[in-house]
Amino acid sequence: AQSVTQLDSQVPVFEEAPVELRCNYSSSVSVYLFWYVQYPNQGLQLLLKYLSGSTLVKGINGFEAEFNKSQTSFHLRKPSVHISDTAEYFCAVSLTYNFNKFYFGSGTKLNVKP
Amino acid sequence: EAGVTQFPSHSVIEKGQTVTLRCDPISGHDNLYWYRRVMGKEIKFLLHFVKESKQDESGMPNNRFLAERTGGTYSTLKVQPAELEDSGVYFCASSEQMNTEAFFGQGTRLTVV
Repeated sequence: AQSVTQLDSQVPVFEEAPVELRCNYSSSVSVYLFWYVQYPNQGLQLLLKYLSGSTLVKGINGFEAEFNKSQTSFHLRKPSVHISDTAEYFCAVSLTYNFNKFYFGSGTKLNVKP
Repeated sequence: EAGVTQFPSHSVIEKGQTVTLRCDPISGHDNLYWYRRVMGKEIKFLLHFVKESKQDESGMPNNRFLAERTGGTYSTLKVQPAELEDSGVYFCASSEQMNTEAFFGQGTRLTVV
């Protein structure tokens, strides 16, 4: 079975500070890895994904994530956040044979303060 | 081009009543997925349609939930009778192919009182 753990339910941070949102997963088979973002009153939007190749993945809005197979982690980072980054962020995995059947974490609310 | 549309955006019903949620996928997307998030927990997969056929319904919680996609266009998810634990946000997503990006709708917030 697959599971995703997002240890931090809420992360407060000041504007222009760096941020890291943590994600660990468990799976006995190979998976694809994703980060989605939900802005207030909007649907889920894909930030970035790891399918194969380079373990450092760059996404939209200046976010990046690094796949670490040995630590089964896929942490999301941004060097300098903006007020507009305030949202809920979801880490997810899917199996390689069922791309859009996601197993999501419980989400991390990023609150960027001025 | 319109994205994935879900309605209603909010629904408040009493325990024991019936509610039907609707999802209109992006035009031309054969794959349609339903997910739900209960009580601020993780978002969980419910089922996957390919056109009008149920490809995978392993996440459907019980037989009070009925999903349909007649004609392979829009989909409905009916809850009958609704229970308190059915409260949550129901998301729909669609993709052109099984291995291409899925686009999510804004969700329907269901509250059962």
